[in-house]
Amino acid sequence: NAGVTQTPKFQVLKTGQSMTLQCAQDMNHEYMSWYRQDPGMGLRLIHYSVGAGITDQGEVPNGYNVSRSTTEDFPLRLLSAAPSQTSVYFCASTPRTGWNTEAFFGQGTRLTVV
Amino acid sequence: AQSVTQLDSHVSVSEGTPVLLRCNYSSSYSPSLFWYVQHPNKGLQLLLKYTSAATLVKGINGFEAEFKKSETSFHLTKPSAHMSDAAEYFCVVSDNTGKLIFGQGTTLQVKP
Repeated sequence: NAGVTQTPKFQVLKTGQSMTLQCAQDMNHEYMSWYRQDPGMGLRLIHYSVGAGITDQGEVPNGYNVSRSTTEDFPLRLLSAAPSQTSVYFCASTPRTGWNTEAFFGQGTRLTVV
Repeated sequence: AQSVTQLDSHVSVSEGTPVLLRCNYSSSYSPSLFWYVQHPNKGLQLLLKYTSAATLVKGINGFEAEFKKSETSFHLTKPSAHMSDAAEYFCVVSDNTGKLIFGQGTTLQVKP
């Protein structure tokens, strides 16, 4: 039972480079989301999707794009990496929205932009 | 709007002593409340979640949390700390659309 799988686990980028962080879930969950974790700030929502073909912005969307062509996959694209995007990124999925529904998290991607 | 505040950024206890991690929330309706734990260089694991069935919620690894509506609190406790409890703990409230609002996190240090 894989759950939520993120790749890569670690990545170093140069300023201005682009890349895609991959996220896949095998639980047929409707809702998927991306968070970034920075020291002392908890996790902040970047983008989310309530189903295939539907995405929306979270709290900190600037510099990131997402798409959701299938239920299983929710990639996060960095268009032109900046040092401020150095962070740990977590993908999460939820079986449905609504009261008391917990999220399942991937293991994270540690990104450094130099 | 919903929000959550963890009152301590760092808590240090001795092994075998009680643990208290404090969390206050703000919500305009009945909140969905969770505690997650993150061990070093790991993902997030659900410790427990509030259900309306009981105000005292039991979670994994001996942790409990008590929902107090009058105080808008959801503090996490454990009677006796173990070295393996050293981790970062997040109090989380959901807005019921699936979005999670995280507290800033509390780092628990357990001294031998």
